[in-house]
Amino acid sequence: QVQLVQSGAEVKKPGASVKVSCKASGYIFISYYIQWMRQAPGQGLDWVGLINPTGGITTYAEKFRGRVTMTRDTSTSTVYLELSSLTPDDTAVYYCARDAAAAGALDHWGQGTLLTVSS
Amino acid sequence: QSALTQPRSVSGSPGQSVTISCTGTSRDVGAYDYVSWYQQHPGKAPKLIISGVTERPSGVPDRFSGSKSGNTASLTISGLQADDEADYHCCSYAGRYSLVFGGGTKLTVL
Repeated sequence: QVQLVQSGAEVKKPGASVKVSCKASGYIFISYYIQWMRQAPGQGLDWVGLINPTGGITTYAEKFRGRVTMTRDTSTSTVYLELSSLTPDDTAVYYCARDAAAAGALDHWGQGTLLTVSS
Repeated sequence: QSALTQPRSVSGSPGQSVTISCTGTSRDVGAYDYVSWYQQHPGKAPKLIISGVTERPSGVPDRFSGSKSGNTASLTISGLQADDEADYHCCSYAGRYSLVFGGGTKLTVL
């Protein structure tokens, strides 16, 4: 069965960086884009960006450009989200999800990774 | 891009129907037939219930339906059940491989 399994919760200090992983299984890894979203406590979903596992091409939301990097490792079917210069406003649950056509039909999601940024 | 606009909350009694609106612009909802809806129970990851404005993934009951008119998309849930109580999020393709989400709507089943 299709699964996206994310890395565990993180606690970081302001100014630090974090790298979250999302390991895919149960389907052909390079056949689906991976989208990343985040959800701050009590808030809606916020799109962070996407990566095409085939060539590693990325698109990032404007608000994160310069601070976010998405990469992939095709040998382990894993994608990574790295976010730098963290502030308390980055405290959120980060989700990965697969998308067949990069148009927002996110049919399988990871379980979420809670990032807490606090001094 | 700005978030799509959803009502913060809606409510209905079991068996009734409710409709949740999702208003965007001519650059997102109005421009593409790529609106999706997600159901999210507390502490859980979102679940896809509508894609491509009107399409239901396998396993989603036909009580859930989607539509769009102009810059506004809508999700209708008929025959409300207790388990439908959840947060609902809309999402639209916004061009150049970007997505935009709504702020989410909390559905209360009275």
